[in-house]
Amino acid sequence: QQQVKQSPQSLIVQKGGISIINCAYENTAFDYFPWYQQFPGKGPALLIAIRPDVSEKKEGRFTISFNKSAKQFSLHIMDSQPGDSATYFCAAVDAGNNRKLIWGLGTSLAVNP
Amino acid sequence: EAGVAQSPRYKIIEKRQSVAFWCNPISGHATLYWYQQILGQGPKLLIQFQNNGVVDDSQLPKDRFSAERLKGVDSTLKIQPAKLEDSAVYLCASSLPFGGSGNTIYFGEGSWLTVV
Repeated sequence: QQQVKQSPQSLIVQKGGISIINCAYENTAFDYFPWYQQFPGKGPALLIAIRPDVSEKKEGRFTISFNKSAKQFSLHIMDSQPGDSATYFCAAVDAGNNRKLIWGLGTSLAVNP
Repeated sequence: EAGVAQSPRYKIIEKRQSVAFWCNPISGHATLYWYQQILGQGPKLLIQFQNNGVVDDSQLPKDRFSAERLKGVDSTLKIQPAKLEDSAVYLCASSLPFGGSGNTIYFGEGSWLTVV
């Protein structure tokens, strides 16, 4: 059973467009929500993260929107660039299970030039 | 600042053989993780160390996988005997305590294992 459901599985966006990746969860013990970016042949790297008491966090072209009541959060990449082409993972920290990091299945993003 | 170092980067072995992967975390990071990432999937936590003690090894296939972290620094992950389904990238990561809840988890580039 996937505790963090991520969609879409893959995404193709034109350069300059907006990329949107969605995640949903059920476990109310989750209390921290990071996004990781992974390029081919590399390990995941923390991109941006949010706590559930905040509805939005922006860092440069990357924005997380968080809806606590709906148990949903999303990553928006504004002005998408070919260099953003990577796999993106949403995740959640389970405060009720040793602060274990629970991962989504990932979204493969391709930004066409 | 030096990142998480892993070796070897690539390894091809036959099924039933053994393999060992080494990890050197970022200096000062007490928490060390080994993840398994199968192509097209998210990372799966195999084992988490806090200094040289095991915090979570619930998803480590203990009949064939073992890991140790001597002196609370470097760590070794061993697979013996390997199966075809062990083909994956083995990611080592490290963080300050309670990584993931405000402390960034830093990943190495991974050790790619192919079992034939």
